[in-house]
Amino acid sequence: KAGVTQTPRYLIKTRGQQVTLSCSPISGHRSVSWYQQTPGQGLQFLFEYFSETQRNKGNFPGRFSGRQFSNSRSEMNVSTLELGDSALYLCASSPGDRARFRKQPQHFGDGTRLSIL
Amino acid sequence: KQEVTQIPAALSVPEGENLVLNCSFTDSAIYNLQWFRQDPGKGLTSLLLIQSSQREQTSGRLNASLDKSSGRSTLYIAASQPGDSATYLCAVGPEKLVFGKGTKLTVNP
Repeated sequence: KAGVTQTPRYLIKTRGQQVTLSCSPISGHRSVSWYQQTPGQGLQFLFEYFSETQRNKGNFPGRFSGRQFSNSRSEMNVSTLELGDSALYLCASSPGDRARFRKQPQHFGDGTRLSIL
Repeated sequence: KQEVTQIPAALSVPEGENLVLNCSFTDSAIYNLQWFRQDPGKGLTSLLLIQSSQREQTSGRLNASLDKSSGRSTLYIAASQPGDSATYLCAVGPEKLVFGKGTKLTVNP
């Protein structure tokens, strides 16, 4: 079974630009969550999509947005990039229904390393 | 607001040693706790998940325990090997995982 796939692996952008990251979950998984990892703040939850709807949201500004398609693939968009957005962005997939969330781990991809110049 | 703390931040041990990593959380109303491993430049690999109704889980040389009432979990690694060198993260769930900042483990041959 293929794992969680994130593309691209590396991105370099400049301040003010926007960027779109992609995540393909494990086949059959309907929930995709996004996390930001920085040396200072560690791993922080951005948002979670389930069946094309945002089900949970973290404490990030509106410049961070996402969406999920009918095949469960998800994209995350960051607009008006700032230097502080430099981070490793990880996505995780899981089956999605709440009962199984409690019993099964989330599976993470290898992330997209975003660098802002 | 849930906060997760991991102590120590870094640990260096000789090969073959048994070791314990600690994780504490402030709000005991959790559904599960997960331990992950992260290698440099990589994503997270799930090691063990303990549901809130369980006390411990085991996988090979790894054993994780959970004490909800005291807000603590430990990850026990038996007979450590150089290949165990990585950063170990704990997170409380279930959906919006709240992570500790990790323990960087180095196992020296």
